[in-house]
Amino acid sequence: SQQGEEDPQALSIQEGENATMNCSYKTSINNLQWYRQNSGRGLVHLILIRSNEREKHSGRLRVTLDTSKKSSSLLITASRAADTASYFCATVNSGANNLFFGTGTRLTVIP
Amino acid sequence: EAQVTQNPRYLITVTGKKLTVTCSQNMNHEYMSWYRQDPGLGLRQIYYSMNVEVTDKGDVPEGYKVSRKEKRNFPLILESPSPNQTSLYFCASSPRDRGLVVLTFGAGSRLTVL
Repeated sequence: SQQGEEDPQALSIQEGENATMNCSYKTSINNLQWYRQNSGRGLVHLILIRSNEREKHSGRLRVTLDTSKKSSSLLITASRAADTASYFCATVNSGANNLFFGTGTRLTVIP
Repeated sequence: EAQVTQNPRYLITVTGKKLTVTCSQNMNHEYMSWYRQDPGLGLRQIYYSMNVEVTDKGDVPEGYKVSRKEKRNFPLILESPSPNQTSLYFCASSPRDRGLVVLTFGAGSRLTVL
């Protein structure tokens, strides 16, 4: 399988705290993306980081990428109850145009 | 509204009864893909299509068929469903701008095979 793996599998924090999720993958990538899924619904694209980028920001989201370690992290700052969802990383491998998803991190933000 | 539409959203069927899950997108996207989602296994790709008449197997294609005769439609066919195909299915599409694939997902189709 070419899937990545997210860590932790589940994370529970208080509203206002920061949440950090990690993703590890196996092959060389063209880019890495993070998606969010509210319970049982379709995934929504959050942010994309290319292989030659190290950090990217979008609102309260910060993504880092370390290609030497084949890992990425997603930081959500000042979390809100509405951030409760599952978060998935997805990689587009070098030389390919296909996405492979990880197994996801279930984030619960307690009001 | 730009969207990916899947039907049916919910279906209960019996082993061996052929069924089709339709997927349609109105964004003129070249790339379309089917995933299944099972607890603890994340999303696994079944089939994908880079463009009309071009389809390829994903990680778990066994027991499924697809076709891409028109750009907007990418139906998923289960010729003889079995209980291990009980799952939540997602269709997704993407433009292929500069080779990038960024997916827009449908709302999902929950299939139960008895």
